[in-house]
Amino acid sequence: ETGVTQTPRHLVMGMTNKKSLKCEQHLGHNAMYWYKQSAKKPLELMFVYSLEERVENNSVPSRFSPECPNSSHLFLHLHTLQPEDSALYLCASSQEGIQEETGELFFGEGSRLTVL
Amino acid sequence: QQQVKQSPQSLIVQKGGISIINCAYENTAFDYFPWYQQFPGKGPALLIAIRPDVSEKKEGRFTISFNKSAKQFSLHIMDSQPGDSATYFCAAKPDLMLTFGGGTRLMVKP
Repeated sequence: ETGVTQTPRHLVMGMTNKKSLKCEQHLGHNAMYWYKQSAKKPLELMFVYSLEERVENNSVPSRFSPECPNSSHLFLHLHTLQPEDSALYLCASSQEGIQEETGELFFGEGSRLTVL
Repeated sequence: QQQVKQSPQSLIVQKGGISIINCAYENTAFDYFPWYQQFPGKGPALLIAIRPDVSEKKEGRFTISFNKSAKQFSLHIMDSQPGDSATYFCAAKPDLMLTFGGGTRLMVKP
């Protein structure tokens, strides 16, 4: 497989459920991201991991919990979500270095989440 | 606060016409300005990017124009095609964090 793979592609959950979104990148990148895409805020950065350390937590509610066990995998654990959390969740990766890189983001196709 | 403002929100262009999308930024520390293209059901993908040391960059039918003093940059799509119908996002970054504009939904009519 190549690129950035996200599973599941679609998820429907109740407000009391616990579920997880998974992201895997096969590009050898050292940074991974979670973005939320909704009609209200088209591309909203949630979390950034660089070299497996979280470097950004963009005021995201604690019902979203990220995990980055290694440089190739990223999870988003979901617990007690609200209907307004329904959105497309996009994972991305990039290569960040000491010298100025473009830092091009490579996105997965997203996980479409519906909270009932 | 880092912010990138994008306009218009939606755009309809006839086939063969020129599509123009504009973005404005506030943070003078921004030093990299990419445009991403997103088709339905897909994640965004890098289309073209520019650094502030040049005023224009062209790749095929796509051109970025950059005005550093006005803190504005724009995407021009020449000879627009129905296959260009997608959502376009401008973005800017000074470091690890890429800040995106609100997106423009482009429809090119045959």
